[in-house]
Amino acid sequence: DIVVSQSPLSLPVTPGEPASISCRSSQSLLHSNGHSYLDWYLQKPGQSPQLLIYLASNRAPGVPDRFSGSGSGTDFTLRISRVEAEDVGVYYCMQSLQPPLTFGGGTKVDIK
Amino acid sequence: EVRLVESGGAWVQPGRSLRLSCKTSGFTFGDLAMTWFRQAPGKGLEWVGFIRSKLHDETTGYAASVRGRFTFSRDDSRDTAYLQMNSLKREDTAVYYCATGPISWYTFHYWGRGTLVTVSS
Repeated sequence: DIVVSQSPLSLPVTPGEPASISCRSSQSLLHSNGHSYLDWYLQKPGQSPQLLIYLASNRAPGVPDRFSGSGSGTDFTLRISRVEAEDVGVYYCMQSLQPPLTFGGGTKVDIK
Repeated sequence: EVRLVESGGAWVQPGRSLRLSCKTSGFTFGDLAMTWFRQAPGKGLEWVGFIRSKLHDETTGYAASVRGRFTFSRDDSRDTAYLQMNSLKREDTAVYYCATGPISWYTFHYWGRGTLVTVSS
């Protein structure tokens, strides 16, 4: 199974400031088609997860453009250009290259 | 509007069975794979498995932790996916989510709100 890890575990943020979360996989998520199969989800308090970014850098419909994803192979980053209060929650990266799909342990983002 | 509504969660004793449903609307159910996830209390997300569409022979895939005990099925005429859980263990206690998406079986734009399964004596 592909192991996915995230850092940091917890991220206190200041509204209006940037924030970033790292995700690393135990093996390359780069497919021969050129895509890296790494997705980002946000689970807001009391809610179901919601898709933010798929295939490493593609923003899902309706996701604000302050969210961006980058990386390839085994190292990935989710960036929030200017954090807003509504961005609090737990962020998960997930590899979708092969079953079993596996998640990072999550990064809890809250307001300082 | 796309909706996924899970139901069937309950308190159940170890070793017993339970069937969860995921009723959908707002999209052509028969075209898409359905995937199940779970989240134990206070823990992260865990992929449980999937069932693909008829076009893909309703292929299924299971996490090792549930293989042989859980079974996915679907009724396209009812726009509903099912998760049959047998031989339940305490470690199966979790909120169970169904999810799907229009791009691929492994990208999840749409999620239900989840249904809680508690396995305890």
